[in-house]
Amino acid sequence: KQEVTQIPAALSVPEGENLVLNCSFTDSAIYNLQWFRQDPGKGLTSLLLIQSSQREQTSGRLNASLDKSSGRSTLYIAASQPGDSATYLCAVCNQNFVFGPGTRLSVLP
Amino acid sequence: NAGVMQNPRHLVRRRGQEARLRCSPVKGHSHVYWYRQLPEEGLKFMVYLQKENIIDESGMPKERFSAEFPKEGPSILRIQQVVRGDSAAYFCASSPRLAGGPYNEQFFGPGTRLTVL
Repeated sequence: KQEVTQIPAALSVPEGENLVLNCSFTDSAIYNLQWFRQDPGKGLTSLLLIQSSQREQTSGRLNASLDKSSGRSTLYIAASQPGDSATYLCAVCNQNFVFGPGTRLSVLP
Repeated sequence: NAGVMQNPRHLVRRRGQEARLRCSPVKGHSHVYWYRQLPEEGLKFMVYLQKENIIDESGMPKERFSAEFPKEGPSILRIQQVVRGDSAAYFCASSPRLAGGPYNEQFFGPGTRLTVL
């Protein structure tokens, strides 16, 4: 059974810092991994999708890497801004989509 | 807006009533997923449907819950005889149909927040 964990559970940083969010999964036989952000009381917004054959994807200040063999992905956020404050979720896809519990990020002005 | 649509956005029911949640996928998507998010918890997969077929319902409670995705119209998640523990946010996602397999990038709707009094 696939299990997904995310570290840290919560993170508070001053504006401008670069930061890394971690996602680990137990079953490396995945089709893809997707990173989302969720604002309080809102739905999920897709940030990046990494197919199993890829090692990283970039979008603006975001960079996600995937090491399938070790069951890990990281989301790197450069020059963080208060608008980045949200919960960040990773989800892996093999038989179906399994989500991690999320990292709650607060970027302080 | 061609994204995933869910309605209602908020739904209040009394114990024992029925709740019907609707999801219209992105135009052209034939794969729909339902998730439940309990307060302060992560998203839990419930069911995966294609048009007129349930593909995977391993996350669906065995009683009171059902889902359908008819040939025409939205996908429906139905909860009969609701209890307080059903209070949660229910999210729907859709993905496009690809020749390589059914699993692909998901696009999420805004969710329906169900409150059971």
